[in-house]
Amino acid sequence: GQQLNQSPQSMFIQEGEDVSMNCTSSSIFNTWLWYKQDPGEGPVLLIALYKAGELTSNGRLTAQFGITRKDSFLNISASIPSDVGIYFCAGQFFGNEKLTFGTGTRLTIIP
Amino acid sequence: ETGVTQTPRHLVMGMTNKKSLKCEQHLGHNAMYWYKQSAKKPLELMFVYSLEERVENNSVPSRFSPECPNSSHLFLHLHTLQPEDSALYLCASSPTRGNYGYTFGSGTRLTVV
Repeated sequence: GQQLNQSPQSMFIQEGEDVSMNCTSSSIFNTWLWYKQDPGEGPVLLIALYKAGELTSNGRLTAQFGITRKDSFLNISASIPSDVGIYFCAGQFFGNEKLTFGTGTRLTIIP
Repeated sequence: ETGVTQTPRHLVMGMTNKKSLKCEQHLGHNAMYWYKQSAKKPLELMFVYSLEERVENNSVPSRFSPECPNSSHLFLHLHTLQPEDSALYLCASSPTRGNYGYTFGSGTRLTVV
């Protein structure tokens, strides 16, 4: 099935650094979602975006719905150890419950 | 508490065994999904159920057999699995209308020996 391209695939950062990751698609989506997966757990929804150009924050996380509706990015400010995990983007068409997931960005914090 | 409960959390089975994975949600959702997640690989959609009807089967081998007896429960029956089937199996649910994304369970870590 279709996959969204996420970059980078992995990131190694120090605690306190800011993080930026993005997701691109060949298709236009009506909704962009960002999930985080802790090791050994299922993904948990972080942020949902419903409108082109929309910028939404959730604590230290900020995500934007690209103007073209074919991309989205997620920023994490002042990273902390519990930010470690895999971040997935997902796109959704209006009226269709099926999600298309990105390939994931694995975040590691170097002590 | 994610709202989607998967049991067991961990399962070790032999290649000749038959076992079942269970998923339960009480969120009022009408669509349920099975995903396979292998190490360092993207999420692989296996099956989609919408209003208790199977609407998608992504070329999954017949040794995996899903069952959705009602909108709150989803099973994945396993038989004669291979070692390469070892993975984290995730269940998710969603409304059939509206763009709200999925709610995932914590997964079942399956090891085939």
